[in-house]
Amino acid sequence: DGGITQSPKYLFRKEGQNVTLSCEQNLNHDAMYWYRQDPGQGLRLIYYSQIVNDFQKGDIAEGYSVSREKKESFPLTVTSAQKNPTAFYLCASSTDLRELFFGEGSRLTVL
Amino acid sequence: AQKITQTQPGMFVQEKEAVTLDCTYDTSDPSYGLFWYKQPSSGEMIFLIYQGSYDQQNATEGRYSLNFQKARKSANLVISASQLGDSAMYFCAMREGYGNNRLAFGKGNQVVVIP
Repeated sequence: DGGITQSPKYLFRKEGQNVTLSCEQNLNHDAMYWYRQDPGQGLRLIYYSQIVNDFQKGDIAEGYSVSREKKESFPLTVTSAQKNPTAFYLCASSTDLRELFFGEGSRLTVL
Repeated sequence: AQKITQTQPGMFVQEKEAVTLDCTYDTSDPSYGLFWYKQPSSGEMIFLIYQGSYDQQNATEGRYSLNFQKARKSANLVISASQLGDSAMYFCAMREGYGNNRLAFGKGNQVVVIP
């Protein structure tokens, strides 16, 4: 089945550690996106990529990094520079401006 | 300034009744798109409906319809014949321009359907 797979679903991290969240899609979509959601809030854009080997910062990119070496993959690294990383992270992809599809999310907790 | 505003408090809806969720938006771009998503307690974001700024007709998808009032910058979601499975958070979002699909989201509306 076509879709977006995020892993891990739950992740715990100690302060000062970098962690990488995986996002893989088999929809053949060109564009991929990372969003962050805090409790009781809407989603905020971290990074997006419209084509392989290219990506742009979103509204809250500080403390995060991404890569887009393959069309189907868009991993997000939460670095130790991110001051408040505990959140729900959602990856999305699209090929059509009328649709944006999301994965099931990864919940990161910093201990 | 907030681009998407959803200000309704949490709502209780009787099963089989209709519910309207309010969304107002702010943009100076004549080309934009409006989206509604459903987020159940599991956390996934489920796409419901899309309305383009140049679309002449209000969008409909099954039990979902979008009441698009361009002059008022309003894009309310109407869910007809509510079902227990409709209990979720609902988010309105907007894309400005045609360059990409980066969306600005509202803070959401909580809906609880009661039998």
